[in-house]
Formats: sequence, C-alpha cells, structure tokens
Amino acid sequence: EDKVVQSPLSLVVHEGDTVTLNCSYEVTNFRSLLWYKQEKKAPTFLFMLTSSGIEKKSGRLSSILDKKELFSILNITATQTGDSAVYLCAVLGSSNTGKLIFGQGTTLQVKP
Amino acid sequence: NAGVTQTPKFRVLKTGQSMTLLCAQDMNHEYMYWYRQDPGMGLRLIHYSVGEGTTAKGEVPDGYNVSRLKKQNFLLGLESAAPSQTSVYFCASSYPWTGVTGELFFGEGSRLTVL
Repeated sequence: EDKVVQSPLSLVVHEGDTVTLNCSYEVTNFRSLLWYKQEKKAPTFLFMLTSSGIEKKSGRLSSILDKKELFSILNITATQTGDSAVYLCAVLGSSNTGKLIFGQGTTLQVKP
Repeated sequence: NAGVTQTPKFRVLKTGQSMTLLCAQDMNHEYMYWYRQDPGMGLRLIHYSVGEGTTAKGEVPDGYNVSRLKKQNFLLGLESAAPSQTSVYFCASSYPWTGVTGELFFGEGSRLTVL
C-alpha cells in the first residue's frame, strides 16, 4: 500500500529559528514529490521535486529529495510568524490520473 | 479569475440527510478530484475524474457518489449522511500534463458537519 509519512506532526518554534520538516514515502512508480503550505483554507503549492540531490529554493524555503532513501526535507530558515501553517507533503505515484498521496501534515507554529 | 470554486462553504446536516457539494473550475482542466481532510490524517482522495463523463474511486469512496456531466463541474453527493462524514472537503483540478508533475489547484474547502 502506498504511504507518505511526515514528521514531526507538530512543531513550535520562535521567530528566527530554522526548522526542518521531514517526509518519507513508499510509493510504486514514483513520479514526483510536492510540498504544499496550508494556512486557513486551501493548500498552496510550494515545490515539486523529481530528481535526487537537486535543491529547490524559494526565499527562506528550500527542499531536497533523496530517491534512494525515499525521503524529502523542507527547510525554513529565519522563521517568521507568517510561516505558521500546516505543511503537506504529497507524492505522485501514477502519471495517468494525477492522483496525489498526502502525508498527515506538519503543523508549524512560529511564536514572536 | 475564480480558479476552483466550491459551494457551499459550510453546511450542517442531520444523520440520514442528503446533500451535494459543487465544484466548478474555469481553467479548462481535464482532471478533477475530491479530497477530505480530517485532523491528523492529511488529505484523503474520495473520488476523481480524468475527463468529462468519467469518474473513479479513490482511497475512501464509501458513502459518496460523484458525477462529471460537464468538464468544468464535479459534484460530490452524500446520499445518507453519517457523523463519520463530518470533515472539510476540498476539490482540486489539474491539467493532464500536470498529472505528470502532480501540481493541483485547490478550492477553498467546504466544512460539513453531520449531527
């Protein structure tokens, strides 16, 4: 059975801290791994990763994929209160239907 | 620039009642999905459609039905609501080639409570 597991499930940090969120997966026919940020409403797209070892970066956020060890990490440096959200990891296991398999999410709270 | 629109946004039902959630997208996307989100369980796929007139089951289809009569609309029905269906429901859509990469475009969610 395909599975995506995120850790930790929740995290509380203070502004300025650096955080690392983890995502491991067991999915047949891996195509890509995606990170989403979810604040109050709909998830919004952050990154898509398809190749091992290539870091994707956007401002203070970065992510990397290890296809040998079947995991990805999402790093957030110099955290701000606006980074407080649920971070979702999802894996695409089939190119025919576009179905994403989601992890449980990591709830990040950044305190002032 | 509406994107993906879900209606209604909130609904309270009694056990046994029926209802339909409507998802509409104006991006000409082929693929559409219904997910439910429960605390600590991420997003779980209920049903999906790869084109007008097609539907397929996801991970948790029991108790739900769907229809895709028009390309832009994807309806999710609950024939006899149960308390276990209390959840936040998200509709999403994507292009076929995005199906290769996986990026989905989400609606803002519909919060359903079944008493």
